[in-house]
Amino acid sequence: EPEVTQTPSHQVTQMGQEVILRCVPISNHLYFYWYRQILGQKVEFLVSFYNNEISEKSEIFDDQFSVERPDGSNFTLKIRSTKLEDSAMYFCASGTGVNTGELFFGEGSRLTVL
Amino acid sequence: DAKTTQPNSMESNEEEPVHLPCNHSTISGTDYIHWYRQLPSQGPEYVIHGLTSNVNNRMASLAIAEDRKSSTLILHRATLRDAAVYYCILRSYNRDDKIIFGKGTRLHILP
Repeated sequence: EPEVTQTPSHQVTQMGQEVILRCVPISNHLYFYWYRQILGQKVEFLVSFYNNEISEKSEIFDDQFSVERPDGSNFTLKIRSTKLEDSAMYFCASGTGVNTGELFFGEGSRLTVL
Repeated sequence: DAKTTQPNSMESNEEEPVHLPCNHSTISGTDYIHWYRQLPSQGPEYVIHGLTSNVNNRMASLAIAEDRKSSTLILHRATLRDAAVYYCILRSYNRDDKIIFGKGTRLHILP
């Protein structure tokens, strides 16, 4: 069964450093998403991406965050200068875009900012 | 976003059916009812979705009230592996509509 894969599974970084989280969505999917989940809290929407541009973003997704699909297969989330409060699980998801279709989520990347 | 209301937690015995309720009194005509779950230390996972009619799949059944203001996710025979947080989500009829997660219901399965 096809799946969304994410790397790294866990990254530890120093505050102020840049971090790139990578995702390989399911190959025929056209819609891509990033979510985050701070420990013990709910899953929060960050950004959606379609046709090589951001289609929607939340208030959390400020200028420190960016996304891109550099090579037609990977979908990356970059945090330019990490803060302690960026520590969370980051989930990538993809979907076909067919109305009401399900989203497929990856296993997540745990980011720890020290 | 249209809101849903779910109990914070529920308990059930292993191998018994589980009925997880969800209220969505402000649902609009173009909202589909989706259920996802999140097993411990994993990403969210799609369970089932429906519009008006009851739906069945290999994981669960979804019973939708006639007025669509509430729905119930039914796990026919719970196993320990079904212990998870279950999210009831309304998703409008848009091609790229994001999913917004609430707090969900934490389901505990007792052996």
